[in-house]
Amino acid sequence: QKEVEQNSGPLSVPEGAIASLNCTYSDRVSQSFFWYRQYSGKSPELIMSIYSNGDKEDGRFTAQLNKASQYVSLLIRDSQPSDSATYLCAVYPGGFKTIFGAGTRLFVKA
Amino acid sequence: DTGVSQDPRHKITKRGQNVTFRCDPISEHNRLYWYRQTLGQGPEFLTYFQNEAQLEKSRLLSDRFSAERPKGSFSTLEIQRTEQGDSAMYLCASSRGSGFLNEQYFGPGTRLTVT
Repeated sequence: QKEVEQNSGPLSVPEGAIASLNCTYSDRVSQSFFWYRQYSGKSPELIMSIYSNGDKEDGRFTAQLNKASQYVSLLIRDSQPSDSATYLCAVYPGGFKTIFGAGTRLFVKA
Repeated sequence: DTGVSQDPRHKITKRGQNVTFRCDPISEHNRLYWYRQTLGQGPEFLTYFQNEAQLEKSRLLSDRFSAERPKGSFSTLEIQRTEQGDSAMYLCASSRGSGFLNEQYFGPGTRLTVT
């Protein structure tokens, strides 16, 4: 079992729709969770971080965390073609290492 | 506040040559990370520095790889006797290191091609 699992996609949504990206993790003691956006050929860009169970909203982005189910998700409202990218889920269990999933490719169709 | 910078952005080298990459973290960030990323994968952890001390190395980091962070400022990653399997994007990230927060910010990366 991979430590951080994401559906590789591609996830295709029409412009203006809600995109829902999911991530599960295996280490129960994980403390912090992050979502990064990565455009093709570019480096990852931090877009959301979440530490407590529940929802955290920032503009069109909402991160959701459920530690009991070891599940974290990212919702993108009013999706735009510029949101088309790979979204990486990252988990920090403490210590030195942050573990990244392989990413979900999102396509937003105009 | 400038972001993380990396140099060079691209490097093409022949198999067997040595290469060195540089990373300048965000100022005041005491944690510095090196990752390697190949197509279709997430970043894979290579090594971590807290200030000038290298505290963690992945088993992916063979003896051909070495990293330094003198004086706790910039860092270098050297690959000796490069192999075609070393072709990847090498990413550097830094964080403020505030306990469990550990929000990491990435540089633009160095894309290595070994021919």
